[in-house]
Order: sequence, then structure tokens, then C-alpha cells
Amino acid sequence: EVQLVESGGGLIQPGGSRTLSCAASGCIVTSGYMSWVRQLPGKALEWVSIIYDDGRAWYSESVKGRFTISRDASQNMVFLQMNTLRVDDSAIYYCARGLVPNQGDYWGQGALVTVSS
Amino acid sequence: EVVLTQSPATLSLSPGERATLSCRVSQSVTTYLTWYQQKPGQAPRLLISDVSNRAPGVPGRFSGSGYGTDFTLTISSLEPEDFAVYFCQQRYFWPTFGGGTRVEIK
Repeated sequence: EVQLVESGGGLIQPGGSRTLSCAASGCIVTSGYMSWVRQLPGKALEWVSIIYDDGRAWYSESVKGRFTISRDASQNMVFLQMNTLRVDDSAIYYCARGLVPNQGDYWGQGALVTVSS
Repeated sequence: EVVLTQSPATLSLSPGERATLSCRVSQSVTTYLTWYQQKPGQAPRLLISDVSNRAPGVPGRFSGSGYGTDFTLTISSLEPEDFAVYFCQQRYFWPTFGGGTRVEIK
């Protein structure tokens, strides 16, 4: 059974940084497609970033240049490094695994990120 | 950005009734259209991929259809556990979601 567990959320000041972690079990993060998807306070869903099995990474325009997705095979974890955070980055961040590109077949429970002064 | 418009925003139905949810896309995504279900306090759950392929464990009362820019999710006979929010998502371009349809108990 695939399980994804996010951690690292919290309250961050505007302009600050935070790294989210996603611990995977029942799957290997270097195979398949690992993504971060966020859900804004109004409930809209936004695809933030994806890393392919070959290591290529892609980002939404709203986070490009500020966020970095990475993975650690030895820990079987995926990370989202978030820099220069803005108030409108506040959301629940979900880690998701796709069996095909750009799809969420499995989801974690989410990590709440609040950017506020 | 590819825009997905879901209608209606809210569908008020009784258990046993048929639910028909629409998703219209601003550009053709051929068959790369996915449906998710989300219940309060939970993550989205994959229901249907590539227009009509039910995910493992999804009951047969859920079905999807469409091509290009017009897609439909049908729940043939609503069960109490089906009252939730449903999102469509395209993966032909950079993935984007619709705004969701809430299926509520009438």
C-alpha cells in the first residue's frame, strides 16, 4: 500500500523560507512521478511542481524561481524547498504520486503552510 | 493557462438519484482528463483517469465520458458516501483543475 506523509508545514513570515518533506512507503520515489499540489483557502487546487522518474522537474509559473523540488532515494523522500514566500502561498500542500505524468494516483494527508506577519 | 469550467457549482440531489457533472476545457486535451473526489478534511482521491478509466476500488456507479473539450462524470445512483466535492483536472498541458462541483444532499 502506497503511503505518503508530509511534514514541515507551519507559520512563516513573508519573505521567509521553508522546506516540506514527503516520506513515501509502498513505492519508490525515483520511479513514477512525484508532485506537490496545493489547495488554497478558497479550496481551489493548483499543481505546484513535479519531478519525473528521470529527474526532470517542472514548476508552475507562480512558483518558478522560488520553489525547488528534489528527492532523496536513500530516504525515499521528496522535498519542496520554498523561498521568498508570499501571503498567497498559504495553502495545504499535498504530496502526490502519479503512475502517469501529471496525475495524482496517491495523495498524502497534506501539510498546512501559512504565510503571515 | 488551460481553464477548466465545472458546472453546476452545486448539485442538490437525494440518495438514489443520478448525478451528472460537467467539465468544459478551454482547449482540447483529447483524453487526458481526470476526475477526483474530495471529502471534508481529506485529500483528493483519484476516481477516473483518461476520461473513463475507473481507479482501483472505485464503484461501477461512477463513469466518465467525453473528448477534447467537453467531459462528463456520471454517478448512476447516489450513495450516502458520494456526497462530496468533485474536481476535474487536465494533464495534456501543465496540469490545471476545475473549480469543483459540490454534490450535496437535498
